[in-house]
Amino acid sequence: GENVEQHPSTLSVQEGDSAVIKCTYSDSASNYFPWYKQELGKGPQLIIDIRSNVGEKKDQRIAVTLNKTAKHFSLHITETQPEDSAVYFCAASRHTDKLIFGTGTRLQVFP
Amino acid sequence: DGGITQSPKYLFRKEGQNVTLSCEQNLNHDAMYWYRQDPGQGLRLIYYSQIVNDFQKGDIAEGYSVSREKKESFPLTVTSAQKNPTAFYLCASSIDPRREQFFGPGTRLTVL
Repeated sequence: GENVEQHPSTLSVQEGDSAVIKCTYSDSASNYFPWYKQELGKGPQLIIDIRSNVGEKKDQRIAVTLNKTAKHFSLHITETQPEDSAVYFCAASRHTDKLIFGTGTRLQVFP
Repeated sequence: DGGITQSPKYLFRKEGQNVTLSCEQNLNHDAMYWYRQDPGQGLRLIYYSQIVNDFQKGDIAEGYSVSREKKESFPLTVTSAQKNPTAFYLCASSIDPRREQFFGPGTRLTVL
C-alpha cells in the first residue's frame, strides 16, 4: 500500500546551523506534499507545502524540495533557532485522496 | 475567533466503556478527519468525512465509530471493541480534500 518513509527520527543541531529532513513516498501518483510542525501537547500545524508541478518552494528560513523521479522530498531549515525544536511530519497524497504521514522527526536545536 | 476545537484535553475511562470525543469547527470546512497518534509513529487515519451525512473508514477504523450530522461537528466514539484505545487523538478539517488540513489541539485518552 501507500507508504511514506521519513528520516532521521531524531536530529540535534546547534543554533544557527541548518537542518534537513528527508521523506520518500511510494505512490507515484502523489501530487501534494505538506510539512507539519507539532509542538509538545499540541496539534500539528502546516508550515509549508509543495505540489508536484513545482521543484522547490521557500518561505523565509524554511524550504522544501521535491524530486518526482526519485520520489523523495526534503525540508530544509536554515539558521535554526531554539523555537524550531519540535516534531516535524511529512505527508503525501493524491489529488483528492487522504494524507499519508511519515513517522516524524524530533528536532532539537541547542543554544 | 475561527478554528477547530477538541474537548476534553485529557480523558480517562475504564476498560470496557465507550467514550465519545468531541470535534467542532467554525471554519465552514466540508471535510473533517480523525487521526490517532502513538509514540514513535506517524498520524494514522481512523475516519474521514468529505461532506455532511457521509463518512468513510480510514486505515484503522476497527473499534471506532463516527457521525456527521452537522457540518461543524464530527464526534468520534471509541468503543469497547478497540483493543488498545490509549492514545492521542487528533481531529482535522479542510475546505476540501485537495487543500491543507487544519488540526485541533488533540485529546489524550487513557483507558485504565
